[in-house]
Amino acid sequence: DAKTTQPPSMDCAEGRAANLPCNHSTISGNEYVYWYRQIHSQGPQYIIHGLKNNETNEMASLIITEDRKSSTLILPHATLRDTAVYYCIVSYSGAGSYQLTFGKGTKLSVIP
Amino acid sequence: NAGVTQTPKFQVLKTGQSMTLQCAQDMNHEYMSWYRQDPGMGLRLIHYSVGAGITDQGEVPNGYNVSRSTTEDFPLRLLSAAPSQTSVYFCASSFTGPREKLFFGSGTQLSVL
Repeated sequence: DAKTTQPPSMDCAEGRAANLPCNHSTISGNEYVYWYRQIHSQGPQYIIHGLKNNETNEMASLIITEDRKSSTLILPHATLRDTAVYYCIVSYSGAGSYQLTFGKGTKLSVIP
Repeated sequence: NAGVTQTPKFQVLKTGQSMTLQCAQDMNHEYMSWYRQDPGMGLRLIHYSVGAGITDQGEVPNGYNVSRSTTEDFPLRLLSAAPSQTSVYFCASSFTGPREKLFFGSGTQLSVL
């Protein structure tokens, strides 16, 4: 079962930053935090992942708290195309790890 | 570069029929996997493969078979379709496993009547 807790839905105004929270209070030291999104029944799309340091790429930023019990995905300037279900996943990232467990995610609606 | 290609996109079966969902990738990925997604649910892992000739079960393997004879292809077989297998099926691949970026196909919507 999923090791994360996410709000079922959120709204964000177009052009504003979207901050999606995720709680993972039972995360262990060798587990990474992954974010994927799924736009309207398409296949999920990888966004970003991290261990303990904050990460940034062309899509988003990932902020992980110092105790690693929660994280926030930030879409800096949300557009209508960012409307999707966002999945936060915690998974061991070492050799022999072959499964990601997707929960129900957060449905983000970007509003014009 | 096609990425991960799934066929067919839609399929309707009668209970008891068998069929194969196709998945092919052209990125030379060793790891391939099949997920199913039911309405309002997250994705659940059915089977996965870490290379040609190697397969293993995921969370919900019952009623499905897989094989991996080549690096490129990872077909999913429904042996005797049941209404409970009505779902959207996604194939995904990566170089070595889900700890890396997973690439997903566009899905196959299957209805079993």
